Amino acid sequence: EIVLTQSPATLSLSPGETATLSCRASQSVSSYLAWYQQKPGQAPRLLIYDASNRATDIPARFSGSGSGTDFTLTISSLEPEDFAMYYCQQRANWPITFGQGTRLEIK
Amino acid sequence: QLQLLQSGPGLVKPSETLSLSCSVSGASVISSVYSWAWIRQPPGESLEWVGTIHYTGTVFYKPALKSRLTISVDTSKDQFSLRLDAVTAADTAQYFCARQRRGLGNFDLWGQGTVVTVSS
Repeated sequence: EIVLTQSPATLSLSPGETATLSCRASQSVSSYLAWYQQKPGQAPRLLIYDASNRATDIPARFSGSGSGTDFTLTISSLEPEDFAMYYCQQRANWPITFGQGTRLEIK
Repeated sequence: QLQLLQSGPGLVKPSETLSLSCSVSGASVISSVYSWAWIRQPPGESLEWVGTIHYTGTVFYKPALKSRLTISVDTSKDQFSLRLDAVTAADTAQYFCARQRRGLGNFDLWGQGTVVTVSS
């Protein structure tokens, strides 16, 4: 199965700053990568699909890029509500797999 | 309003069967656009895809769970279900049902989650 490795494990930033989260795949997933946000006690929320497409109602400050094995989620001008866990997910091959997550915390 | 509503017990004894259901409210499970999935999250850990079913009966299972897992769909009730046999403590997790966009493979609508603990 395809292993997704996210870095860093924890990212400490202040509101207004820009967050850059990385997801690396153990083999090419083409552009078949999604990003999710999860807050404590809540279900995940789809942010980005197919590497760079924002899901419905997702603010423009969230953007995704990459292809093959290296992907980036960028969150510009961090808002207080953006501090959460973020997961990447590939759908290139079964089984579908998720990364281990990046915790974005307030500095 | 479209919602996924989960139901099922929160406590299951070791070696017994875990059964959960997910009702699709505000839409039909009969869709050419969407499949229906189960995803779980052990305490403090990441997300783990469990399996996906289409209303036609096409189903995909996580290989490590395949021998114990059954996912089914009931089109008359707009509901899909998970059954996991012979559970152990390793199956303790929060279980989510989700809608999966066919062709895109992402999960764009989630249930509220059910915390399932395997313990005697």
